[in-house]
Amino acid sequence: DAKTTQPPSMDCAEGRAANLPCNHSTISGNEYVYWYRQIHSQGPQYIIHGLKNNETNEMASLIITEDRKSSTLILPHATLRDTAVYYCIADTSGTYKYIFGTGTRLKVLA
Amino acid sequence: GAVVSQHPSRVICKSGTSVKIECRSLDFQATTMFWYRQFPKQSLMLMATSNEGSKATYEQGVEKDKFLINHASLTLSTLTVTSAHPEDSSFYICSARVTGGGEKLFFGSGTQLSVL
Repeated sequence: DAKTTQPPSMDCAEGRAANLPCNHSTISGNEYVYWYRQIHSQGPQYIIHGLKNNETNEMASLIITEDRKSSTLILPHATLRDTAVYYCIADTSGTYKYIFGTGTRLKVLA
Repeated sequence: GAVVSQHPSRVICKSGTSVKIECRSLDFQATTMFWYRQFPKQSLMLMATSNEGSKATYEQGVEKDKFLINHASLTLSTLTVTSAHPEDSSFYICSARVTGGGEKLFFGSGTQLSVL
């Protein structure tokens, strides 16, 4: 599985968009990019995933660069409840053995 | 979305005893489940892959005789920490994939194990 690199921490003002970057420069053609978040003392929560195209759901948008070497998770209107550790994972389809990096600790400020 | 239930959420035990943690897929069948361990302020570390009806596959460095995994049905996997010691104190999390479809995993809420 491709290794992912994320900034260790970020702050975002409540109501503003939170843009969380992820570098996965060694990703292969069949590896999906997944985003999960973990709120303290809970299991990871699925946010979104994609292969090549940009994706949007009720929680967030995922922008994947054309070369697929990086992606950005966008929370359009961050709330205090979005404070969590966000993990970007690249996984070869079919294995599901997610390798978690250190993630980005997002703090949403009132 | 699919729900994975993990029980208990918190357990405290004495050193030398064994603890069983259950992971259930509530509204779907899961041929494969995964077990993770997470120490404070660290990321999740994959321990093993649990396969229904067959032996679990352990990651390098994980003692299979200490962390017994049983996946006897399509909706239940159990992790038993045998002869627990204080260094086994950790947050244990399971995840499951919907059999036959879907690329993503669903995670349980985790079990905080404290060994005295």
